[in-house]
Amino acid sequence: GQQLNQSPQSMFIQEGEDVSMNCTSSSIFNTWLWYKQEPGEGPVLLIALYKAGELTSNGRLTAQFGITRKDSFLNISASIPSDVGIYFCAGQRNQGGKLIFGQGTELSVKP
Amino acid sequence: DADVTQTPRNRITKTGKRIMLECSQTKGHDRMYWYRQDPGLGLRLIYYSFDVKDINKGEISDGYSVSRQAQAKFSLSLESAIPNQTALYFCATSGQTSTRYNEQFFGPGTRLTVL
Repeated sequence: GQQLNQSPQSMFIQEGEDVSMNCTSSSIFNTWLWYKQEPGEGPVLLIALYKAGELTSNGRLTAQFGITRKDSFLNISASIPSDVGIYFCAGQRNQGGKLIFGQGTELSVKP
Repeated sequence: DADVTQTPRNRITKTGKRIMLECSQTKGHDRMYWYRQDPGLGLRLIYYSFDVKDINKGEISDGYSVSRQAQAKFSLSLESAIPNQTALYFCATSGQTSTRYNEQFFGPGTRLTVL
């Protein structure tokens, strides 16, 4: 089935460093969503993007909807230990349509 | 109180047993979804329902069935559990906000182990 390629699969960084991760697809999406999952919990929506080229921030998190509509990026600035978790991208072709999820990026932050 | 709840949170069962996972929501959303999460594979859609009378198969529906008992309740059944159905199962909901149904909200998950 449809897949999103999310990279990197895992990251081990020092507290204070910036983080970048991305998702790419061979197909166009009209919506990109970024979720964070902490251990023992369900994914929580961080940022939603609805327009090609859109750049949206949520605190230290910034996400961009790629111009080609086939990719999206998430950046975390000045990471802190509570940023630890798995970050998922999800794409949607049509409003209200099914979400296609990336494989996830597992982030570890060393104090 | 949590907006999307799942029961049980953990379940260990044996091959061949029938299992039901339940999901309830207080968000007033009309759309509900069941996903399965396996390490390294992200979340994959099992079934989804856009309202009480609408049930649709997702990417990996074989071996599963669902029931939408009410707008707020959506249950997932494994008629005869097998070991490769061992996974984390998530329920999610979405509803119309302005003109958007895009954003899905997830429950805390059920960890199912089939021996």
